[in-house]
Amino acid sequence: AAGVIQSPRHLIKEKRETATLKCYPIPRHDTVYWYQQGPGQDPQFLISFYEKMQSDKGSIPDRFSAQQFSDYHSELNMSSLELGDSALYFCASSPPGVDTQYFGPGTRLTVL
Amino acid sequence: AQSVTQLGSHVSVSEGALVLLRCNYSSSVPPYLFWYVQYPNQGLQLLLKYTSAATLVKGINGFEAEFKKSETSFHLTKPSAHMSDAAEYFCAVSNTGTASKLTFGTGTRLQVTL
Repeated sequence: AAGVIQSPRHLIKEKRETATLKCYPIPRHDTVYWYQQGPGQDPQFLISFYEKMQSDKGSIPDRFSAQQFSDYHSELNMSSLELGDSALYFCASSPPGVDTQYFGPGTRLTVL
Repeated sequence: AQSVTQLGSHVSVSEGALVLLRCNYSSSVPPYLFWYVQYPNQGLQLLLKYTSAATLVKGINGFEAEFKKSETSFHLTKPSAHMSDAAEYFCAVSNTGTASKLTFGTGTRLQVTL
């Protein structure tokens, strides 16, 4: 079965650089969520989109922005990267009318 | 605000023994509850979910959980542990409704010994 695709899987950046993470939801899923998981931490909700509109916002820094495109894929843009942004970034998707979130494998971002 | 508390950051059991991972939730509205498993360097895999239907929920890999409203609990159990069950387990809660975020507990690392 198709799963959530995230790219890249690994990313290394320097401080103050920018990064773009991409998420391709499971086909026919209309909702996308982004989570950040720091080392040894539980995943923290960043932002979600339903039918290409932002539906909820969590503890996402102002340096980060995200959007969902017409084909339902989503991108998380991160600017002025800081050492503390080093984490696993998960994308999840859910189908219409279903509350279950299916997670991708994550993007491991390392900021040096 | 919703929250979950997982008692015990590390649990160790012998292979073949009962697995019990504890989760208590706090929610002002009827919650949806989930258990996810995370293997090293991998994503989160859904084990099971409670969405206000049957209170005893069966999931994958022989796991099950029982929703107890009176105890605000949703503990995860498996009758007989297998070495392959060693992983990090997260309990999570969400509101009902579309695009509701998940709020995770701090996780429990399950170790299975011979």
